[in-house]
Amino acid sequence: GIQVEQSPPDLILQEGANSTLRCNFSDSVNNLQWFHQNPWGQLINLFYIPSGTKQNGRLSATTVATERYSLLYISSSQTTDSGVYFCAAMNSGYSTLTFGKGTMLLVSP
Amino acid sequence: GAGVSQSPRYKVAKRGQDVALRCDPISGHVSLFWYQQALGQGPEFLTYFQNEAQLDKSGLPSDRFFAERPEGSVSTLKIQRTQQEDSAVYLCASSLGPGLAPYNEQFFGPGTRLTVL
Repeated sequence: GIQVEQSPPDLILQEGANSTLRCNFSDSVNNLQWFHQNPWGQLINLFYIPSGTKQNGRLSATTVATERYSLLYISSSQTTDSGVYFCAAMNSGYSTLTFGKGTMLLVSP
Repeated sequence: GAGVSQSPRYKVAKRGQDVALRCDPISGHVSLFWYQQALGQGPEFLTYFQNEAQLDKSGLPSDRFFAERPEGSVSTLKIQRTQQEDSAVYLCASSLGPGLAPYNEQFFGPGTRLTVL
């Protein structure tokens, strides 16, 4: 099946800093999603982005499907951005998501 | 409802007990998925339903795990004779359907945290 790798595994930022999280995947995809898992364990949908670029407030994401990677940008980070960010991909021809191991983000005041 | 709901949110079981975890998907969503998330890891796929049909159960770790969705809506994940290694968060997700974007975007419930003593 498809392999999904995320980097970095951990990231510590000062409030107000910007960051880029990366997701590499090993095969063609018909679904790529970014999630934020809050301290209570809820997976919150950030972006559905199998290709192209999207923006939502301070967050934006880009997927370059031909080169098999996706990037999540967080600008002007806030303490509430802390948590684990997951990338998950679905191989064309399959129906299930494969998750990366996540990036643990800590934003300090 | 507005989102995917799961119950119970927390379950403590003694080793050897049977447990049943419930998932209510978003109304009208055809596809339903169960995932298992161990501490510090990403969710891992367990099983997939399209309406009432279980199309993929390749992720179920043993024959003690059983899932059903008899009327194509609510789903139950049952674990028989629970073991300590079954301790994890069990997540349910649903999507409009299979196929092309955006029908396959998955939305997750809050999860059930199972602790087996």
